[in-house]
Formats: sequence, C-alpha cells, structure tokens
Amino acid sequence: QVQLQESGPGLVKPSETLSLTCSVSGGSISGYYWHWIRQPPGQGLEWIGHIYYSGTTNYNPSLGGRVTISVDTSKNQFSLKLRSATAADTAVYYCARDRGYPDYAMDVWGQGTTVTVSS
Amino acid sequence: AVQMTQSPSSLSASVGDRVTITCRASQDIRNALGWYQQKPGKAPKVLIYAASRLESGVPSRFSGGGSGRDFTLTISRLQPDDFATYYCLQDYNFPRTFGQGTKVEVK
Repeated sequence: QVQLQESGPGLVKPSETLSLTCSVSGGSISGYYWHWIRQPPGQGLEWIGHIYYSGTTNYNPSLGGRVTISVDTSKNQFSLKLRSATAADTAVYYCARDRGYPDYAMDVWGQGTTVTVSS
Repeated sequence: AVQMTQSPSSLSASVGDRVTITCRASQDIRNALGWYQQKPGKAPKVLIYAASRLESGVPSRFSGGGSGRDFTLTISRLQPDDFATYYCLQDYNFPRTFGQGTKVEVK
C-alpha cells in the first residue's frame, strides 16, 4: 500500500526558505496529482499547491508567489519550497496524493511534519 | 477563489445521534466536493468524494449529499470513533479551498 513520508528541517529562521520533501513508497508517483497542505497550530487546513507527476503545478495565490513545488520521478518524491518564511508559516505540513479526474480525492496522506519559523 | 462556508463550527452530540454538517460554496461547484475527518495529531482521512460517493473502507453510516452550492455530510448513528473534526474541500477549481471545519464533541 502506498505510503507518504514528509521530511525536512523542523526549524527555519525568518526570511529563509522552508524546504520539505515527500517520499512515496509502495507505489509509483506517476499518474497522480500530489498536494501540499498545511495546518497552523489550532487552526484549519490550508491548501498550498499541487503538482502532476508530469510537472504541471498550481499554487495558492494567498502565499504571494513564494511557493515552488517540484517532482523527481526517478526518486519517487516531490518537494516544497516556501521562500521568505515568517512566523505565520509555522504549521504542520502534510503531503497527500490525489487520484485526479474523475474521482478527485486526497486518498493517501503523510503523517505530517511540524515546521516552526523562529530565530 | 471559491469560498467554502461550513456550519456549525462545533456541535455536541451523543452516541447514536444523527449528525448533519453543511457546507456552502460561494459559486456553483457541481459535485466537486469531498469530506474529510481529522482526529487530533493525525492527518485527515477522506470519507466522501464527488459529493456523495463513499470512499472504500468508510462505514456506511457516513453519507454525503448535495450539488451546486449546498452540500451535507450526515452521520446516521454517531459512534465513539466519530468524535473528530470534519472538513469539506472543493476540488472544482484552483486554488483548492477547505471549509473552516466542524468539531463534533461529546455531549
């Protein structure tokens, strides 16, 4: 069964770049959409962006153009970069798989990784 | 962006109760809506997709309805494992947007 695992620094300094990787095991990254979602402490879920395995991306404009998501099919993983991090970016970050058309659903999720932005 | 307004933000219920949560979209999203359950410290889990289709492995006491702008998630007979927070998510267009969440608590 497919499993996702987020990895990356748990602490990022303000103004630096938050970088996370999601490793996909038990299945191929090909044929699916792959999302990043975050959840600030005590708050709801916020969609960050997604990438199709071919490399097509969509991002949440609320993040002001600070986001880049990339995919490495040879390593079966995809990555998130969030530039100019601030304390408001402190959150649990999740990666998730989406089946895509016609049965859109985020059906597999990573366990989440906590990232704190602080000096 | 499509705004998703979810209500109530919280509710108190007892085991065996029928519970209904609603989600209203700011525009017509056809049937492009999913419902997710999240427990503390855990990742969300999909319950319903395409507004009314039950995800494989999800108990049949969960059901979804609606289309266009108004949607519902119903738990027919609340079980102890169902106390959690529920979110709707529109996947009609980008950016994807979640509702604010509904916390189902023990009465």
